[in-house]
Amino acid sequence: DVKVTQSSRYLVKRTGEKVFLECVQDMDHENMFWYRQDPGLGLRLIYFSYDVKMKEKGDIPEGYSVSREKKERFSLILESASTNQTSMYLCASFSTGEGYGYTFGSGTRLTVV
Amino acid sequence: KNEVEQSPQNLTAQEGEFITINCSYSVGISALHWLQQHPGGGIVSLFMLSSGKKKHGRLIATINIQEKHSSLHITASHPRDSAVYICAVLYSGGGADGLTFGKGTHLIIQP
Repeated sequence: DVKVTQSSRYLVKRTGEKVFLECVQDMDHENMFWYRQDPGLGLRLIYFSYDVKMKEKGDIPEGYSVSREKKERFSLILESASTNQTSMYLCASFSTGEGYGYTFGSGTRLTVV
Repeated sequence: KNEVEQSPQNLTAQEGEFITINCSYSVGISALHWLQQHPGGGIVSLFMLSSGKKKHGRLIATINIQEKHSSLHITASHPRDSAVYICAVLYSGGGADGLTFGKGTHLIIQP
């Protein structure tokens, strides 16, 4: 089974802290995504990457950055956490080749106080 | 951006009832996904469809490409089916930014 692993299930951080959310997939997928999920708004794309060191802004990139130094790892960075970044964050990976399909991680519920 | 519309937004039913959740989209797609998310949980892919019908246990997903519409059916519903069900599409030639999501259907099955 393809696995997408997010490093933390629950996280509480203070306003102004730098926050790293890590995501690792084990199936050599080219594409990786970071979403946030909020009640009434559904899933919104923050950033995605289609290859190592490549990154593209999604619909709501403000206040976030990403890093993809290795194919299996895609990190989401909150440079200076704010309370409006309290949310559920979901990572996903996707292959267009063999093993075609989306796989989601179990999510990180981040609370910024 | 192209929209994905789901209905109903909320659904409460009694155990054993037949459940239908609908999804419509606006332009051509290469695939449609039905996803399930239990409270506080991650997202699990139930089905990926590009045509016809798929069945897995008590779950059935259908898609009508001409009408740009898909349905997810649950037969003999059970309280453990209570979850948010999300429809998501991969638009044809949509680029590398992946799926477009509906806002989800919050399903509660009461015993």
